[in-house]
Amino acid sequence: DSGVTQTPKHLITATGQRVTLRCSPRSGDLSVYWYQQSLDQGLQFLIQYYNGEERAKGNILERFSAQQFPDLHSELNLSSLELGDSALYFCASSAEAQYNYGYTFGSGTRLTVV
Amino acid sequence: DQQVKQNSPSLSVQEGRISILNCDYTNSMFDYFLWYKKYPAEGPTFLISISSIKDKNEDGRFTVFLNKSAKHLSLHIVPSQPGDSAVYFCAASADQAGTALIFGKGTTLSVSS
Repeated sequence: DSGVTQTPKHLITATGQRVTLRCSPRSGDLSVYWYQQSLDQGLQFLIQYYNGEERAKGNILERFSAQQFPDLHSELNLSSLELGDSALYFCASSAEAQYNYGYTFGSGTRLTVV
Repeated sequence: DQQVKQNSPSLSVQEGRISILNCDYTNSMFDYFLWYKKYPAEGPTFLISISSIKDKNEDGRFTVFLNKSAKHLSLHIVPSQPGDSAVYFCAASADQAGTALIFGKGTTLSVSS
């Protein structure tokens, strides 16, 4: 157990729908990162939050949004889902805002859009 | 535009032999490099890292080599064990605000006994 908790583990939904993925960071970590792993793709950085504020933004679609709550858990909202959004979504956490020496990852949420 | 490239999608080696996984990068601002290992149904886990001020870092059976002039790094696993069979991701970072770890597509290592 890495200490980073992601729920749900699996999610199946239809095109056009909206889903919310949840992440609880490791105890004491203030930064949360979201990554997407599609078929034949590496881990694509989506977005980072630090202590409730957006810190860095990667290749995140406009249909996707995220937030970090006062208790530091984070949610990734995916709307108007398309078949191509089917992927593994990973959350990671670190203690600091700019800590590129390694993150701790959760086990991921597998999203299937049908 | 891929900034971190792992050009070999897969690698097969026999138990006891050396596994060499390669990674190339394009961004000269990268100053820290990491390798993560991922088993099926699990998240990536940190394996080993190297700062750009070094050219080698060793941890047990795992050694990472960095060639800054060639923008190339490699992970050596000696001796390889069946339990090393996993997907290995190379990652890089730059000490710049607003940036995060950039990952390659991964190399699937299969170690046969």
